[in-house]
Amino acid sequence: DIQMTQSPSSLSASVGDRVTITCQASQDITKYLNWYQQRPGKAPKLLIYDASTLETGVPSRFSGSGSGTDFTFTISSLQPEDVATYYCQQCDNLPQCSFGQGTKLEIK
Amino acid sequence: QVQLGQSGAEVKKPGASVKVSCKASGYTFINFYIHWVRQAPGQGLEWMGIINPSDGTTTYAQRFQGRVTMTGDTSTSTVYMELTSLRSEDTAAYYCARDGDSGSYYSDLWGQGTLVTVSS
Repeated sequence: DIQMTQSPSSLSASVGDRVTITCQASQDITKYLNWYQQRPGKAPKLLIYDASTLETGVPSRFSGSGSGTDFTFTISSLQPEDVATYYCQQCDNLPQCSFGQGTKLEIK
Repeated sequence: QVQLGQSGAEVKKPGASVKVSCKASGYTFINFYIHWVRQAPGQGLEWMGIINPSDGTTTYAQRFQGRVTMTGDTSTSTVYMELTSLRSEDTAAYYCARDGDSGSYYSDLWGQGTLVTVSS
């Protein structure tokens, strides 16, 4: 199974800050990495798929990059509504999917 | 309106089984795979498996093999996830999620979740 290591596990930043979360796969997953946002008490929401493709309707302050085993998720200017837990996910071609442990993002 | 509507909360005893339903509406049911994902209280997301509603083909996460069954009913645009031999660690919110169907796998539409509580 492919293991996903996400860091940090929690993060506190100020409104307007640039925020970065990383995700590392235990083996090469090429570009097949997704990012989700989950607000408290809600279902997850897709933000980015295939490492860098922004889902329709998602604000452009969210972005993703990377390939192979190392990936980065960035919020260019943190907004109050971005308080949530963020998860990376990989799915191979079987498919077998797995999530990172999550990053809880709070406002300072 | 494109959506996935899940069945209501369940309370089960250890050793019992639970069957959660997920009804699709607003899109062509057979054209999109459905994932199942669960989340224990205060914990992260855990992928359980995927079903192709058009032919019933399934792939399960290895840790659920032998205990989970996913099925689909094209006449009602509904998929089901049954989990057997329940234990307290299975207490979680169970989500169905539509696959994005772009050649890679990701979930672009989620159900509201079904809370399953396992308690004696």
